[in-house]
Amino acid sequence: GAGVSQSPRYKVAKRGQDVALRCDPISGHVSLFWYQQALGQGPEFLTYFQNEAQLDKSGLPSDRFFAERPEGSVSTLKIQRTQQEDSAVYLCASSAVQKYTYEQYFGPGTRLTVT
Amino acid sequence: QKEVEQNSGPLSVPEGAIASLNCTYSDRGSQSFFWYRQYSGKSPELIMFIYSNGDKEDGRFTAQLNKASQYVSLLIRDSQPSDSATYLCAVNMYNQGGKLIFGQGTELSVKP
Repeated sequence: GAGVSQSPRYKVAKRGQDVALRCDPISGHVSLFWYQQALGQGPEFLTYFQNEAQLDKSGLPSDRFFAERPEGSVSTLKIQRTQQEDSAVYLCASSAVQKYTYEQYFGPGTRLTVT
Repeated sequence: QKEVEQNSGPLSVPEGAIASLNCTYSDRGSQSFFWYRQYSGKSPELIMFIYSNGDKEDGRFTAQLNKASQYVSLLIRDSQPSDSATYLCAVNMYNQGGKLIFGQGTELSVKP
């Protein structure tokens, strides 16, 4: 079946611009996660949804970052007034909740470059 | 101390050898453990997960978990050049939903 999809795959923004990154999870997956990956590092957690409820946003680096999943399916990560330090790959993952594990499957990512 | 630690490598092994990738974690509340493979320019791909002490085998891959030592490893038997990638260890904490804490990854190079 179809995996996690993300759009756009690449985004170049001028400093100060707002951007919106979209994630379409695997059909039926109730949990959705956003991660940020800097070059040469492992992904870092940003936020997590279960259905439409945002249960953890502890990883969002500033109040310029905002995520939503209004209907419990597609999610959007919005970054306002982008800064150069926001340049990274933004990864979305989805998971069907299991008893002991949350096996997360990643989308291809959106590479954001802020100039 | 980082929550999840891996040697960054690169780890170089000859084709056909066993590659051993190691990961330590700091929080004893960690519940489940994942290995992801990431090719350059691609997103992480789930290889294996484990949540009970001991070994778990899947084809050429074996994950090993020792909660007392806070240590998880991935063995790749009969390594192939196509296994050359960065391997990410990730840990899920109890009562933190599905949030994964990743190590920085170990780069593996399998030489023909």
